[in-house]
Amino acid sequence: DTAVSQTPKYLVTQMGNDKSIKCEQNLGHDTMYWYKQDSKKFLKIMFSYNNKELIINETVPNRFSPKSPDKAHLNLHINSLELGDSAVYFCASSQIGTSGRNEQYFGPGTRLTVT
Amino acid sequence: AQSVAQPEDQVNVAEGNPLTVKCTYSVSGNPYLFWYVQYPNRGLQFLLKYITGDNLVKGSYGFEAEFNKSQTSFHLKKPSALVSDSALYFCAVRDRDNAGNMLTFGGGTRLMVKP
Repeated sequence: DTAVSQTPKYLVTQMGNDKSIKCEQNLGHDTMYWYKQDSKKFLKIMFSYNNKELIINETVPNRFSPKSPDKAHLNLHINSLELGDSAVYFCASSQIGTSGRNEQYFGPGTRLTVT
Repeated sequence: AQSVAQPEDQVNVAEGNPLTVKCTYSVSGNPYLFWYVQYPNRGLQFLLKYITGDNLVKGSYGFEAEFNKSQTSFHLKKPSALVSDSALYFCAVRDRDNAGNMLTFGGGTRLMVKP
């Protein structure tokens, strides 16, 4: 039943490791996103992706990369993890079509802790 | 560039009283505006949106928001607050006249409703 799901819910890892977070949506949406929410609850867009284009927030380090095996999935890969990567990561999806008027649906979040 | 400001980190209201959570935005074109709510350890949930037409928008859980183009504001309101409304509220904007699917979120306002 879950519209947007993420795994794992919690991820604890050491600096320098490489990790992935998976996201799946069953809403049939054409666009998926990744957000980072820091400890002060500030929410920052990282990527927007549909089957036509990937839009990257220019402030995101290239250690972060989205991978989409199909329309329903957008996974987030993080290389060489740093302490500052500790945050909650949210996946979201929406139906963009030819406009941006539709709301986004968010997953439950993945809390990443880098030690 | 697009941006959103939520000037209050926290709003305190007594149960039964009206509440207002403020939001102002900046876009070069015309805006799509959204309000989302985040409960502890959860993802964001969509409340309401302004696309076009009537400036007063009604949404979930009795919330409404008024689009004011001259003041570039989109304040969230509810006539009678409930303790269960206590959560973190985010305003978001997308410039509909410019390319890209990405929303820009405000910093969030924590609403505390006391019995």
